[in-house]
Amino acid sequence: EPEVTQTPSHQVTQMGQEVILRCVPISNHLYFYWYRQILGQKVEFLVSFYNNEISEKSEIFDDQFSVERPDGSNFTLKIRSTKLEDSAMYFCASTRERGVYEQYFGPGTRLTVT
Amino acid sequence: AQKVTQAQTEISVVEKEDVTLDCVYETRDTTYYLFWYKQPPSGELVFLIRRNSFDEQNEISGRYSWNFQKSTSSFNFTITASQVVDSAVYFCALSVLNNAGNMLTFGGGTRLMVKP
Repeated sequence: EPEVTQTPSHQVTQMGQEVILRCVPISNHLYFYWYRQILGQKVEFLVSFYNNEISEKSEIFDDQFSVERPDGSNFTLKIRSTKLEDSAMYFCASTRERGVYEQYFGPGTRLTVT
Repeated sequence: AQKVTQAQTEISVVEKEDVTLDCVYETRDTTYYLFWYKQPPSGELVFLIRRNSFDEQNEISGRYSWNFQKSTSSFNFTITASQVVDSAVYFCALSVLNNAGNMLTFGGGTRLMVKP
């Protein structure tokens, strides 16, 4: 069964450093998402991406964040200058087409900023 | 704006008991979709069900059942004869049909602990 994959599973970085989180969505899916979950809290939407551009973003997704689909399979989230409060689990998700369909989530990348 | 409330932060039951997880939502949109996701201790988010606002029929899938009541803006989830493997955090989520990204708005989650 096709699944969303994410790398790395755990990333430790120092405050102020740039990180890139990688995702490979399900191959025939067209909408891609990033969410984050601070430990013990709810899952929060960051950004959605369709047709090589951002379709929606939350207040959390400020200028420090960017997304890219550098090739036909990868979908990346970059945090330019990490802060302590960026420590969280970051989930990538994808869905097959326009409209509200179930989003399939990857296993997540745990980001620890020290 | 959308909002999802899961008032039960933690529930503990003994195996074979039935348990209901509550979910109340708020939206001004007339077309919307409700979801339940399971987050086991391993951390991934597993899709369980999706319902649209025009379909108020209850749904049963094995030991799982869902009760959607538009009149009370609720979409409750019942596990019958709970098992230890059901121990997880369960999230209710809402999405509205729009021309943007159809983001999911999650509730705070309910941690279910099933004891043997």
